[in-house]
Amino acid sequence: ETGVTQSPTHLIKTRGQQVTLRCSSQSGHNTVSWYQQALGQGPQFIFQYYREEENGRGNFPPRFSGLQFPNYSSELNVNALELDDSALYLCASSLLTGRRQETQYFGPGTRLLVL
Amino acid sequence: AQKITQTQPGMFVQEKEAVTLDCTYDTSDPSYGLFWYKQPSSGEMIFLIYQGSYDQQNATEGRYSLNFQKARKSANLVISASQLGDSAMYFCAMREANNAGNMLTFGGGTRLMVKP
Repeated sequence: ETGVTQSPTHLIKTRGQQVTLRCSSQSGHNTVSWYQQALGQGPQFIFQYYREEENGRGNFPPRFSGLQFPNYSSELNVNALELDDSALYLCASSLLTGRRQETQYFGPGTRLLVL
Repeated sequence: AQKITQTQPGMFVQEKEAVTLDCTYDTSDPSYGLFWYKQPSSGEMIFLIYQGSYDQQNATEGRYSLNFQKARKSANLVISASQLGDSAMYFCAMREANNAGNMLTFGGGTRLMVKP
């Protein structure tokens, strides 16, 4: 096990609702990255948080937003849910020192179903 | 163009035999890293092995080794002595030094099935 935890494990929402997913990073890590994995595809990068600020973003609309807390845990918020948001959401933590980032270690994921 | 290409959607291997999973990549960044992750049906992505673009030696981690051919832009994963527990999806991923957020770009994955 990596020490990265995510909650909840499963979630069912309806279109238009809002959802918050949570991630606790591995001890000693200071960055959290979020990925969306649609069924049958590889994960797609949403964004990364470092020092409580967004440190890079993939091709996702602004209704995907996040937070990082002083203890390095993180939240992913998705507003105005769409059917295509149904996916496995993975968070990954890593250590960033200067420009060097170590390997990203993933949590077990949250499976979101939007009806 | 696809940054990471995994051309084998599914593969079978006999238990105790070796298997090679293919990965080709596309980047103009001279500094990059290549990763392999295993994803069992439970969903968690498990880190297996890493190869840096400037590493002179091919990476090895236990039964996993990476056949890195920089000129051909390929980074194939070799699993020796396959075990039933190796049945899973395998993803190749790349991190480019100039990408904001140190993002990983993943391929589409290969499903490996180990036969007893």
